[in-house]
Amino acid sequence: GQQLNQSPQSMFIQEGEDVSMNCTSSSIFNTWLWYKQEPGEGPVLLIALYKAGELTSNGRLTAQFGITRKDSFLNISASIPSDVGIYFCAGEAPSGTYKYIFGTGTRLKVLA
Amino acid sequence: SAVISQKPSRDICQRGTSLTIQCQVDSQVTMMFWYRQQPGQSLTLIATANQGSEATYESGFVIDKFPISRPNLTFSTLTVSNMSPEDSSIYLCSVEDLTGRLYEQYFGPGTRLTVT
Repeated sequence: GQQLNQSPQSMFIQEGEDVSMNCTSSSIFNTWLWYKQEPGEGPVLLIALYKAGELTSNGRLTAQFGITRKDSFLNISASIPSDVGIYFCAGEAPSGTYKYIFGTGTRLKVLA
Repeated sequence: SAVISQKPSRDICQRGTSLTIQCQVDSQVTMMFWYRQQPGQSLTLIATANQGSEATYESGFVIDKFPISRPNLTFSTLTVSNMSPEDSSIYLCSVEDLTGRLYEQYFGPGTRLTVT
């Protein structure tokens, strides 16, 4: 079945640093979503991407829909301690079903 | 976005028993889904809860184990039946409102289930 691989699996960074993570698949997706999950809570939607090449920002977060439609990227600029959590990508599969496959997650820790 | 609540927020259950989890949305939504998140893992879709008809289950999940109801456009339940320790997970409901922002899916806070 389809899988979404996220890298890195985990990151330890200093406060103020920029962060980059990505999500790759062997299959094409038409929609990508990025979520953040904190302990004891459900995932919170950060950014939605709908077109290949699309670049969308939400505050310090910027996400891109890869040109090949098989990958997506999330960047966080000037990280702060509250950025700590697990970041998940999700791709709609199959297309048009409104159902999503979730990536393996990137665990982010920010050192003050 | 819709406000989604789940009950219970957590529970500890005995092997062999069943637990029903409720998901309530503060507005009518088109699509409702149930996910499982095993400890330290990603999210896996269990089923789509269809209003007024049987749920649509993903591969590896069956109605006898995870019966789902959706009596209206704001409410759904997931039952975890005949539980075993392997069912210990976080169970999450999510919604999409196709009349609003298409393809955006929002999650409830989750129900943390421990089976002993």
